[in-house]
Amino acid sequence: AQSVAQPEDQVNVAEGNPLTVKCTYSVSGNPYLFWYVQYPNRGLQFLLKYITGDNLVKGSYGFEAEFNKSQTSFHLKKPSALVSDSALYFCAVRAYNNAGNMLTFGGGTRLMVKP
Amino acid sequence: DVKVTQSSRYLVKRTGEKVFLECVQDMDHENMFWYRQDPGLGLRLIYFSYDVKMKEKGDIPEGYSVSREKKERFSLILESASTNQTSMYLCASSYFGQGNQPQHFGDGTRLSIL
Repeated sequence: AQSVAQPEDQVNVAEGNPLTVKCTYSVSGNPYLFWYVQYPNRGLQFLLKYITGDNLVKGSYGFEAEFNKSQTSFHLKKPSALVSDSALYFCAVRAYNNAGNMLTFGGGTRLMVKP
Repeated sequence: DVKVTQSSRYLVKRTGEKVFLECVQDMDHENMFWYRQDPGLGLRLIYFSYDVKMKEKGDIPEGYSVSREKKERFSLILESASTNQTSMYLCASSYFGQGNQPQHFGDGTRLSIL
């Protein structure tokens, strides 16, 4: 079985400050990991993914994520938050050997960036 | 850009009705997915399809069925709608690949069952 935990329902940060949205996962074997963002009344948009290789992955809109195998984490980061980054963020995982090609999503973290 | 289009943004139906939610993608993706999104529960997979006429149950298939007669179209059917099926429904598609391809989502259908 595979699972994802996003321990924070909401993260508050001031504009210009760095932000971190946490994600931990559980899979059998190696993972594929994804971050998505959802703006109000919209579907999810793909931000970045980790497949293999460098532990630091860079994605859209200045976001990056760090894969940590020993801590089974894939935290989303950005050096300087913008008010426009305020949205709902989802982490998702799939095991390499998951024949069903199905992602498991976390419960989501709402990011609030205040001016 | 990939376009995944869901036929309705908002839908209001009555208990016991048969409800059809339609989804069309324009990127020749093999995989298509239906999720429901509820606050605090994230996205839960209802069904997915990896080819025409092929379907696999997800985590919460009860009360739902699907149809994929053409590659670009994937329909979700609520056989007899109930109030606990009030939710946001999201359709997604992706290349078959090795599972490392991102899924592309439509804007969702907010369904209310009265």
